[in-house]
Amino acid sequence: SQQGEEDPQALSIQEGENATMNCSYKTSINNLQWYRQNSGRGLVHLILIRSNEREKHSGRLRVTLDTSKKSSSLLITASRAADTASYFCATQGAQKLVFGQGTRLTINP
Amino acid sequence: GAGVSQSPRYKVAKRGQDVALRCDPISGHVSLFWYQQALGQGPEFLTYFQNEAQLDKSGLPSDRFFAERPEGSVSTLKIQRTQQEDSAVYLCASTPARVTGNTIYFGEGSWLTVV
Repeated sequence: SQQGEEDPQALSIQEGENATMNCSYKTSINNLQWYRQNSGRGLVHLILIRSNEREKHSGRLRVTLDTSKKSSSLLITASRAADTASYFCATQGAQKLVFGQGTRLTINP
Repeated sequence: GAGVSQSPRYKVAKRGQDVALRCDPISGHVSLFWYQQALGQGPEFLTYFQNEAQLDKSGLPSDRFFAERPEGSVSTLKIQRTQQEDSAVYLCASTPARVTGNTIYFGEGSWLTVV
C-alpha cells in the first residue's frame, strides 16, 4: 500500500520555469527521500531530508519538510528538458521505503 | 560493480511459467530490497534482506512469490505459475549496513510481461 499522495499527478511547464511537486504522508518517519525515474529506467536518488530538518538544497533542487503537516515539497528551479521524468517521494520509518504514486513532469522546450 | 545490477532486463513469460529474476547488489551492501512497480504506479515493497536473513517479507503478494539471498550477496526473486497481474517492473535496491538515513540505490529493474 502506498504511504503518500503526490500532487499534482502530472505537471507540464516551459523550460526555464520552476516546478513544484508536493507529497503528503500518513505515519511518523525517520526521513523522506525524493527519487527521479526516467521512462523505462530505474530510480535515481535525488535528495534525503531527515525528520529533524526543515529544508535542504542540492543544486537546482530544494526540498522542504513539514512534519506537523506530514508534507514535503520538491522545487526544481530553472527547469531543463532533461528534467522530464517521474518524481517520487518515499518515506522511511525503520527500514523500507514507502513510495507515493509520483508526479509526471514534462518540460516543454 | 559500480551499481545494482539486475537480470534479465526484459522477460516475457507465458501464463503459468515460472520465472527467476536476479539481483547483484553493490559490493559490500548488506541490506537488499525488492520492489514491484506496476505501469504508472509507484514502487511497492515486496521484501527485505539483511545479509542472508529475510527480515521482512510482508509485501510478497502471494505464496507464488519467493525470494532468497543464500550467501548474503546475490538475490533471486522467483515467481511461480506466473499470472497476467504479475506483469510489472521488479526493482532491486541495496544500501550499506545501516539502512535508516542511508541512500538506497536502485537497479534498472527487470521488466516482466506475462502473456
